[in-house]
Amino acid sequence: GAVVSQHPSRVICKSGTSVKIECRSLDFQATTMFWYRQFPKQSLMLMATSNEGSKATYEQGVEKDKFLINHASLTLSTLTVTSAHPEDSSFYICSASFSAGGPYEQYFGPGTRLTVT
Amino acid sequence: AQTVTQSQPEMSVQEAETVTLSCTYDTSENNYYLFWYKQPPSRQMILVIRQEAYKQQNATENRFSVNFQKAAKSFSLKISDSQLGDTAMYFCAFMGGSNFGNEKLTFGTGTRLTIIP
Repeated sequence: GAVVSQHPSRVICKSGTSVKIECRSLDFQATTMFWYRQFPKQSLMLMATSNEGSKATYEQGVEKDKFLINHASLTLSTLTVTSAHPEDSSFYICSASFSAGGPYEQYFGPGTRLTVT
Repeated sequence: AQTVTQSQPEMSVQEAETVTLSCTYDTSENNYYLFWYKQPPSRQMILVIRQEAYKQQNATENRFSVNFQKAAKSFSLKISDSQLGDTAMYFCAFMGGSNFGNEKLTFGTGTRLTIIP
């Protein structure tokens, strides 16, 4: 149980285009979803936290107009990287939590590797 | 602000041996959770073990156990009878009581563990 999926797993896009990444909780309703960014051989940096039906809360230094997060339902959150540039190339990971899960446990998706050319 | 430090970027150990990964953290809070997450080559993050600060007993999950020293702000992970499948990146993570509402995790920089056959 508590499976989180991400789609796509890999995406290559051209500079200036936008790309959308989906995060789904498959067998539970997520009260909160999180988006992280992970640079090669580095730790996870929280980008934003989102709750269903409300605006995402962005971490300091994360451009909300560049990284659009939509949490449309209790099982789906999307991250759209707008006008992507090569420096946006990274590994993006989502996670989700729910009230019946382990105390403060986050369930992670498998990640999406974004390459901007 | 909370910080999590993992001082061992890489470690390797022979299969079936015991290995200990270190983690220290800095916080002014009294109530918090500590976690160890595993990120195997597949990149899917998995929770290994969690410890609540108010519990004096060290958490144990099968071959995984922690040595939680609250006064020293230390939270090491011991892996007994190591297996090839334990090869992964291990992240120590902290969630302070002030963040129980937003469930925000602070991750360390990780330790890359390799189990040698």
